[in-house]
Amino acid sequence: SSELTQDPAVSVALGQTVRITCQGDSLRSYYASWYQQKPGQAPVLVIYGKNNRPSGIPDRFSGSSSGNTASLTITGAQAEDEADYYCNSRDSSGNHYVVFGGGTKLTVL
Amino acid sequence: EVQLVQSGAEVKKPGESLKISCKGSGYSFTSYWIGWVRQMPGKGLEWMGIIYPGDSDTRYSPSFQGQVTISADKSISTAYLQWSSLKASDTAMYYCARRIGENAFDIWGQGTMVTVSS
Repeated sequence: SSELTQDPAVSVALGQTVRITCQGDSLRSYYASWYQQKPGQAPVLVIYGKNNRPSGIPDRFSGSSSGNTASLTITGAQAEDEADYYCNSRDSSGNHYVVFGGGTKLTVL
Repeated sequence: EVQLVQSGAEVKKPGESLKISCKGSGYSFTSYWIGWVRQMPGKGLEWMGIIYPGDSDTRYSPSFQGQVTISADKSISTAYLQWSSLKASDTAMYYCARRIGENAFDIWGQGTMVTVSS
């Protein structure tokens, strides 16, 4: 399968912890990467590999994986974390194909 | 500073051709794959294809194979995305991005908005 499934919308109270999930067969073989996209801006990589944060990404962002599900956790969500979040991974065919999830709109209440 | 800078917004008519660009700087352009991603208005990210500028090895998403052409000129550190005959459904924001590791895109261009309308 070459699909990644995300919940369309998730909400979290300010300062609380939220988990955004991504499901797909390819996640059994490859790690997911996670991107934050705010309106009118290009996506920003927040998590990649097993649980790596690029320089400048706050440590409240973390990643994990189990079976066919990858998760992005925000511990102590801030107002500025309100955004769309996308996962991606390699296609399970093993070539260079890439697949993105449909995205999750995170609302911070 | 590592960056990808894309060409400016385009407004085209159906049937016209178009080539947009993505210029890399601040790193070894020939050592990283460059991907192209489409985002239609109000929609999610779609992977279109990827090119390795070092040898121009190119792979396309089955959804975009035959619809676009991806190329690169390593002498000027620039990747391209082109259409031979645009359709209204090609209206979208197009991003280029540098790939690291298995599938992570760590550096993104600012995006090029393509509008196709008669």
